[in-house]
Amino acid sequence: QVQLLQSGAEVKKPGASVKVSCKASGYTFSSYGISWLRQAPGRGPEWMGWVSAFNGNTKYPPRLQDRVIMTTDTSTSTAYMELTSLRPDDTAVYYCARGWLRSLDYWGQGTLVTVSS
Amino acid sequence: DVVMTQSPVSLPVTLGQPASISCRSSQSLVHTDGDYYLSWFHQRPGQSPRRLIYKVSKRDSGVPDRFSGSGAGTDFTLKISRVEAEDVGVYYCMQGTQWPFITFGQGTRLEIE
Repeated sequence: QVQLLQSGAEVKKPGASVKVSCKASGYTFSSYGISWLRQAPGRGPEWMGWVSAFNGNTKYPPRLQDRVIMTTDTSTSTAYMELTSLRPDDTAVYYCARGWLRSLDYWGQGTLVTVSS
Repeated sequence: DVVMTQSPVSLPVTLGQPASISCRSSQSLVHTDGDYYLSWFHQRPGQSPRRLIYKVSKRDSGVPDRFSGSGAGTDFTLKISRVEAEDVGVYYCMQGTQWPFITFGQGTRLEIE
């Protein structure tokens, strides 16, 4: 069965960077893209970007494109999301999700990132 | 960005009664291929969102048939024919027409009254 297993919770100081991993299993990794989203407490999901597991192409929203880097490692079926210059309002649960037919069919379990001095 | 607006924000429902959630987009969600890429998700507290519906009306595997989706243009609806206790949580619509630049509604919280 399809599974996306994310790395564990992180606590970071303002200005630092965080890198979250998402290990896929149960399907051919390179055949699908991975989207990254985050969800602040009490809010809806916010799209952070997309990476193709086939060729590494990326798409980011303008508001984040200077701070986010998404990559994949096909040898380990793992996607990565790195967010730099962290601020307290980056505190959220971060999700990876598999993209298919212009939707998100499987989600990771989420990774809590807390940014606090 | 396509703005997605859901209503109501909160939806108290009696067990066994129907429920309906509206989702409106700031522009038509028709893709150049003629399809509409509107999905619905359900999220329970402490869990990841789970997709229920994609392409407006297609139910995911394992989703009970009491859930149905409809709509076109800018207006879309998720209906639950008879609410059960396990249906509590927050429901989100999401547009994928501008994939991968997706956007979500702000959510509708369904609770049992």
